[in-house]
Amino acid sequence: QVQLVESGGGVVQPGGSLRLSCAASGFTFSSYGIHWVRQAPGKGLEWVAFTRYDGSNKYYADSVKGRFTISRDNSKNTLSLQMNSLRAEDTAVYYCAKDAVLVGSGPYYFDYWGQGTLVTVSS
Amino acid sequence: DIQMTQSPSSLSASVGDRVTITCRASQGISNYLAWFQQKPGKAPKSLIYAASSLQSGVPSKFSGSGSGTDFTLTISSLQPEDFATYYCQQYNTYPLTFGGGTKVEIK
Repeated sequence: QVQLVESGGGVVQPGGSLRLSCAASGFTFSSYGIHWVRQAPGKGLEWVAFTRYDGSNKYYADSVKGRFTISRDNSKNTLSLQMNSLRAEDTAVYYCAKDAVLVGSGPYYFDYWGQGTLVTVSS
Repeated sequence: DIQMTQSPSSLSASVGDRVTITCRASQGISNYLAWFQQKPGKAPKSLIYAASSLQSGVPSKFSGSGSGTDFTLTISSLQPEDFATYYCQQYNTYPLTFGGGTKVEIK
């Protein structure tokens, strides 16, 4: 069955960096685009970033552009989110979510989500 | 960016009630609209895509409709497991955007 497992969350000081990972299994990872979506405590969902199935196209929310970098390693079935210059407002649970469409250019709808990893930016 | 507005932000309903949630896009998005369910402390679950198509395994008590700018999610007969927060999302263009959510509570 499809599984997405996020890791790498933790507590970091403002201005610091953190790298999140999403380990995928149960499907052909190299054939699907993957997204990062976050949710601040008690708030709604916010789309963060997307990488196409082959890593050729990437898109970012304005709130993270220039600070966050999404990448993927199709040989290891792993998605990453490098987060630099972190701010208090980046505090959230970060989810990875899979595109439902095979080798598409998108955007498309999601079908599966991971369980999330909590990032806390605080001094 | 396309703004997604959900209403109501919360509602109270009883088991067996029919519930309708509305989502409005700030510009036309054809039928590129998805709905998600989220229970406290859990990841969102995908319910509907293309405005009205059910994801695999989602019960038929959930239905979606609409096109252009106005969309609805209907739960035909509310059950205890349906009490949750529901989000709409447009995937017509980047950045993808979500509605603010509708919390369905027990009356």
